Amino acid sequence: AQSVTQLDSHVSVSEGTPVLLRCNYSSSYSPSLFWYVQHPNKGLQLLLKYTSAATLVKGINGFEAEFKKSETSFHLTKPSAHMSDAAEYFCVVSDISGYSTLTFGKGTMLLVSP
Amino acid sequence: GAGVSQSPRYKVAKRGQDVALRCDPISGHVSLFWYQQALGQGPEFLTYFQNEAQLDKSGLPSDRFFAERPEGSVSTLKIQRTQQEDSAVYLCASSLLVAGRDTEAFFGQGTRLTVV
Repeated sequence: AQSVTQLDSHVSVSEGTPVLLRCNYSSSYSPSLFWYVQHPNKGLQLLLKYTSAATLVKGINGFEAEFKKSETSFHLTKPSAHMSDAAEYFCVVSDISGYSTLTFGKGTMLLVSP
Repeated sequence: GAGVSQSPRYKVAKRGQDVALRCDPISGHVSLFWYQQALGQGPEFLTYFQNEAQLDKSGLPSDRFFAERPEGSVSTLKIQRTQQEDSAVYLCASSLLVAGRDTEAFFGQGTRLTVV
């Protein structure tokens, strides 16, 4: 069984300040982990993925995430927030033992103020 | 097409009505998934197809939900006798591979179903 816990339902930052979105996972296997972003009325877009190569993963739009097995965490960060980053972010774990079915967290809404 | 296409984008159904939601995956993608996203929640798995075979339907919430992919490309999710609790966004995703670490799923924009 696998699960994902996103520790914050909402995060508010000012433009230009760092972003931290927290995620903890549980998996019976060495997991594949993803972060997806969902803008209003848009489809889910893959930001980045961890698939057992480098533990620090760089994604699109300046986002990165670090896989920490000892802490079962996969937190998403960005050094400087932009207004266009305002969206909902989902941490996701994949069941690679089966059909790569995705298990989503409940999501974190990122709010960016000027 | 360039991406996963879903239609309709919005559907309002009266309680008890049957609905059909369509998904056009990326051409050549073997795997196709349906997810349900209730308001304020993350998407939840409904069912999985490998080509035309439905290999996992463990997430379908009731026997009113039925999905098919008869020719291994376009898929339809059908909901019979809709109930208010069926109101959600239904997402379709496809991926080139069957499974594995490098399998990336591409999502459509979803169909927002509102049952009144």
